[in-house]
Amino acid sequence: QQPVQSPQAVILREGEDAVINCSSSKALYSVHWYRQKHGEAPVFLMILLKGGEQKGHEKISASFNEKKQQSSLYLTASQLSYSGTYFCGSPINYGQNFVFGPGTRLSVLP
Amino acid sequence: DGGITQSPKYLFRKEGQNVTLSCEQNLNHDAMYWYRQDPGQGLRLIYYSQIVNDFQKGDIAEGYSVSREKKESFPLTVTSAQKNPTAFYLCASSAGNSNQPQHFGDGTRLSIL
Repeated sequence: QQPVQSPQAVILREGEDAVINCSSSKALYSVHWYRQKHGEAPVFLMILLKGGEQKGHEKISASFNEKKQQSSLYLTASQLSYSGTYFCGSPINYGQNFVFGPGTRLSVLP
Repeated sequence: DGGITQSPKYLFRKEGQNVTLSCEQNLNHDAMYWYRQDPGQGLRLIYYSQIVNDFQKGDIAEGYSVSREKKESFPLTVTSAQKNPTAFYLCASSAGNSNQPQHFGDGTRLSIL
């Protein structure tokens, strides 16, 4: 039931772009994206509630293809502060039971 | 300021001992969650609660117990039945339906002595 994320890890130079993908074999009712820095709590980025929805947060945006059961997170012109592990997550059956993907570790180098 | 407070930050458990991790929120959120995170891994749901006096098992509830006697509080007990308790434990809350963001506490790091 756990969503699959790709890539597992990515290394960028400041200013470069990245895409993180999240997909599931089960229906995704909504997709949450969080970022966690080492040793800290995850921080909410955005929620996508219906198919085709796109949202933006600073230079970070995301899309949700409900039919394909996948979501993508786009980071443009990456900054050093974008480093961390990105998790997608989704509720199960519209309930509060929630499942996260394994995470994608993003490292932005100067 | 509203937020979620977890305590203690670090906790050590002896063999055969039960320990309780505290989670308090003043966000007036209905739903609360407990997650376990192992090094380099994602978050796995232990228990969740949608309302006071009600809670449900997540994917890895064995060896853990919870209570939800007050809206603000959702303590987690790691029992002696949990044979591999060393992990980072995160508590979260949300406004009440699954389309609301989860707000996380700073976590408790539990180790075995």
